[in-house]
Amino acid sequence: DVKVTQSSRYLVKRTGEKVFLECVQDMDHENMFWYRQDPGLGLRLIYFSYDVKMKEKGDIPEGYSVSREKKERFSLILESASTNQTSMYLCASSWSRGSGGGYTFGSGTRLTVV
Amino acid sequence: QKEVEQDPGPLSVPEGAIVSLNCTYSNSAFQYFMWYRQYSRKGPELLMYTYSSGNKEDGRFTAQVDKSSKYISLFIRDSQPSDSATYLCAMTPTGANSKLTFGKGITLSVRP
Repeated sequence: DVKVTQSSRYLVKRTGEKVFLECVQDMDHENMFWYRQDPGLGLRLIYFSYDVKMKEKGDIPEGYSVSREKKERFSLILESASTNQTSMYLCASSWSRGSGGGYTFGSGTRLTVV
Repeated sequence: QKEVEQDPGPLSVPEGAIVSLNCTYSNSAFQYFMWYRQYSRKGPELLMYTYSSGNKEDGRFTAQVDKSSKYISLFIRDSQPSDSATYLCAMTPTGANSKLTFGKGITLSVRP
């Protein structure tokens, strides 16, 4: 069974902390994505990557950065956590670059910044 | 106009009802259409996947695409309490670097 694994289900961090969210996929997918999901706002794309060491900004990259040193791992970094970054964070991966392949999502990390 | 519009709901139906969930879109380049189901405190999972216009059936679920009207639907027959979840539509064009565009999702509750 294909898997996208997010390292933490729940996290509580303090304002100003540097936060790392880790995502690992075991499907040899090229594409990986980070979303946040908030009530009434749906899924919003933060960053994505089509290859190792490659990254592109999504719709809401401010306050975030990413790292993809290995094909299977895509990390989201909150440089200085703020309360408005309290959210559900979802990682996804896909095998297709152009043929409309669906995404496989992880179970999500619910981050609370206090 | 947003690229993908989905009725925000929520929607509550009795067990056994037929459920119709819908999305409209504005980008005529969309060719692949999907429905994701998301249970509470879980990530979305791919439920149905269709290419271009037409219908696709999988058990109690039917996905329908009408490209001429830019309208997609998910029908659930004989709905069960276990169908209670948030349903998100998603779509993408063909071509390199295409990403999924999601609807905001609708929360369905099936009452026993």
